[in-house]
Amino acid sequence: DTGVSQNPRHKITKRGQNVTFRCDPISEHNRLYWYRQTLGQGPEFLTYFQNEAQLEKSRLLSDRFSAERPKGSFSTLEIQRTEQGDSAMYLCASSSTASGANVLTFGAGSRLTVL
Amino acid sequence: GQQLNQSPQSMFIQEGEDVSMNCTSSSIFNTWLWYKQDPGEGPVLLIALYKAGELTSNGRLTAQFGITRKDSFLNISASIPSDVGIYFCAGRWGSGGGADGLTFGKGTHLIIQP
Repeated sequence: DTGVSQNPRHKITKRGQNVTFRCDPISEHNRLYWYRQTLGQGPEFLTYFQNEAQLEKSRLLSDRFSAERPKGSFSTLEIQRTEQGDSAMYLCASSSTASGANVLTFGAGSRLTVL
Repeated sequence: GQQLNQSPQSMFIQEGEDVSMNCTSSSIFNTWLWYKQDPGEGPVLLIALYKAGELTSNGRLTAQFGITRKDSFLNISASIPSDVGIYFCAGRWGSGGGADGLTFGKGTHLIIQP
């Protein structure tokens, strides 16, 4: 297993454009999380899935943000009508509830720059 | 929401020195985790703590879960150049996952002078 994979690693876009990030979790992990990290801050929780069900989305920053995990495997995070304040690193993490510890393994992140 | 206060914000030390950093919260957590993040990468788990008072080691790293469940510390002994990075504490108040997805501190930036 290659760990949590995120694509693209970097995205530069113009304000107002839509962007989509993809996350491929560790294959046996049933939980998948999205976090946002801005410069000088720790990761900030956005949303999470257990299998294909999105069980928490109240922390998504606005209605321009949405996430899906249609088949319970990979997930996408979409930001519509991007704003300069959306510039950040978007981190995906996955975990397994089977072990009981539910420790999150993070991907390398997708860095978004909105011009 | 829960806030984690992590200190110090940054540390400049000599190679070979021991390092100590801590994290405090106004709320109780059931789990404390310590992560390290290198530039351009995601956080990597160092140590996980699940019980109040628990003391756990991972090589040169030692972390403790405070008795009050509101604090934790991380020690690094005999620092080496590859210890450079940002160290984050993270807490979870629930039994796992969900809305109790981890709350992170702002990080301690460790810089080592050879």
